[in-house]
Amino acid sequence: DIQMTQSPSSLSASVGDRVTVTCRASQGVNYFLAWYQQKPGKVPKLLIYAASTLESGVPSRFSGSGSGTDFTLTINTLQPEDVATYYCQKYNSAPFTFGGGTKVEIK
Amino acid sequence: QVQLQESGPGLVKPSGTVSLTCAVSGDSISSSNWWTWVRQPPGKGLEWIGEISHSGITNYNPSLKSRVNISVDKSKNQFSLKLSSVTAADTAVYYCARRPGYGLSPIEDWGQGTLVTVSS
Repeated sequence: DIQMTQSPSSLSASVGDRVTVTCRASQGVNYFLAWYQQKPGKVPKLLIYAASTLESGVPSRFSGSGSGTDFTLTINTLQPEDVATYYCQKYNSAPFTFGGGTKVEIK
Repeated sequence: QVQLQESGPGLVKPSGTVSLTCAVSGDSISSSNWWTWVRQPPGKGLEWIGEISHSGITNYNPSLKSRVNISVDKSKNQFSLKLSSVTAADTAVYYCARRPGYGLSPIEDWGQGTLVTVSS
């Protein structure tokens, strides 16, 4: 089965910073990669699908890139409301494995 | 907008079975969706458990496959999860979710989640 590895596992950045989270698949998943945001105590929310397509209503400071095995989630101009754990998930075929998550905090 | 609501016992004894139901509103359980279960142990990450299609096709996480069964009840517009032979490691918030069935799609809708604790 394909494993999904995220890095870093946590990061602390200042408001206004640009933040980058990476997700690596152990085998190619084409562009079938989604990013979810889970705020503390809340339900996960779909941010990005097809590696780079923003879900409706998601602020444009979020962006995604990559294909195959290497993917990136970027938050331009980090805001206080972006404090959350971010997960990648492959959905090219079952099992639809999640990455281990990246916790983003404000410095 | 599809709404999903999990229900079931919050406490299960070791070696017992977690039995959860997800009530679907705003869509028919027979529509072209994949009805999914995901869990999250306290303080840990998300784990995909499995899914079932409107036609009854199932996909399971290989690490749980021998203990998991997901089924659909069309008469009640709901789907269910059974996880057997549980241990403390199965303590988690269990989410039901919907993944659209057109092409390959990610999870779009989630229930609020229900905490299941495995303890004697």
